[in-house]
Order: sequence, then C-alpha cells, then structure tokens
Amino acid sequence: AQSVTQLGSHVSVSEGALVLLRCNYSSSVPPYLFWYVQYPNQGLQLLLKYTSAATLVKGINGFEAEFKKSETSFHLTKPSAHMSDAAEYFCAVRRGGGSQGNLIFGKGTKLSVKP
Amino acid sequence: GAGVSQSPSNKVTEKGKDVELRCDPISGHTALYWYRQSLGQGLEFLIYFQGNSAPDKSGLPSDRFSAERTGGSVSTLTIQRTQQEDSAVYLCASSLDGGADTQYFGPGTRLTVL
Repeated sequence: AQSVTQLGSHVSVSEGALVLLRCNYSSSVPPYLFWYVQYPNQGLQLLLKYTSAATLVKGINGFEAEFKKSETSFHLTKPSAHMSDAAEYFCAVRRGGGSQGNLIFGKGTKLSVKP
Repeated sequence: GAGVSQSPSNKVTEKGKDVELRCDPISGHTALYWYRQSLGQGLEFLIYFQGNSAPDKSGLPSDRFSAERTGGSVSTLTIQRTQQEDSAVYLCASSLDGGADTQYFGPGTRLTVL
C-alpha cells in the first residue's frame, strides 16, 4: 500500500524567503508523485508531477521538487516566497497497479507568507 | 477551455434527507474521480469511473453512497439518509485516460448536514 506523509501542518515564511515543504512517500512500486495547491474555497490545482523521468521537476509559479529515491522524499521548494503563495499544499502519490490511478493524499501543509 | 464544473457549490440539508451532487468533467476525459475533503480525514478517494463503468468503488464509506455516470460525461454522487458526518467538501476530478494522467479538479461542493 502506498502512503504520503507531509511534515508540518503549518509553515510560515517571510516574503522573499525560501519555501520548503516536506513530503515523504511509501510505495512498493515506482511511484508517481504530485504536488497540488489549494487556495481558499477553490479546488486543487496541479503544481507539478513526477512520473519517472527527470528527478528534478519544475512546475508552475516558480516551484520545483526533487525526487530522491534513497530518502523516499519529494520535497517542494521555491527560492523566494511571494504573498500570493499563501495556500494549502498537498503531496500525493498515485495508487499503483493497473490503470486506475486514484491519488492518495497527504494531510496538507498550510503555507503562510509574512510581509 | 472549460474546466471541471460542479453543482451546487454549496448544499445545506437536514439529517436524513437525500442529496445529489453533480460533476461535469472536461470534455473528452474518460476518467472521472470523486474525492471527499473533511477536517478530520483530509482528502479521501471515493470512486473512480472509466467511461460509464465504475471499476473501483472501494472508497465509498457506506451503502448510503452511490454514484453513476451517463454518456461518458456527467456524473452524479448521491448520498441517501444524510448524516452529520457526511458534512465535507466533495471534489470531482477528471483526466484524459486514467493512469498517471493529470487529474483536473473542480471547485467542489460544500455539503453541510444539520
């Protein structure tokens, strides 16, 4: 069975500071990993995904994530936080096997950006 | 192009009533997923459709929950005899062909059971 653990339910950074949101996964098959962002009262928007190609994945809005198999991690980073980055971020792993593909989500990390 | 749409955006109902939630996926997407987002449980998978068939209903929490999809497009999630623990945001997502294809999410329906 697959699972995802996000370390830290709340992260606060200052505007212009590095953003680092942590995600560790557990998977018995090569994982497909995703980061989604959710703004208040909205659905989920895909930031980026890893599907076994390049281990460093670049996404929208300046975010990127690096797949590290040895550490079973897929942390999300952004060099310089912007006020508009304040939102909740979810890491997810695709359920393996077959063509089904539903996502298994972490609990989420709420990012606050201080001026 | 148009994204995934869901209706209603908000639904308030009394305990014991039935509710129907609707999802219109992106045109041409054969795979459709329902998820539930609640404070206590986070984001949970409910059911997956490929075309009109539902090969995976493993996430439905009880037999009060059912879903159908018609014409390979619109899907309806029905909750019978609603309970307070059913209060949550119900999210629908669609993807081109299942698997590792990107899932595009709708804005959700916020269900409140009084």
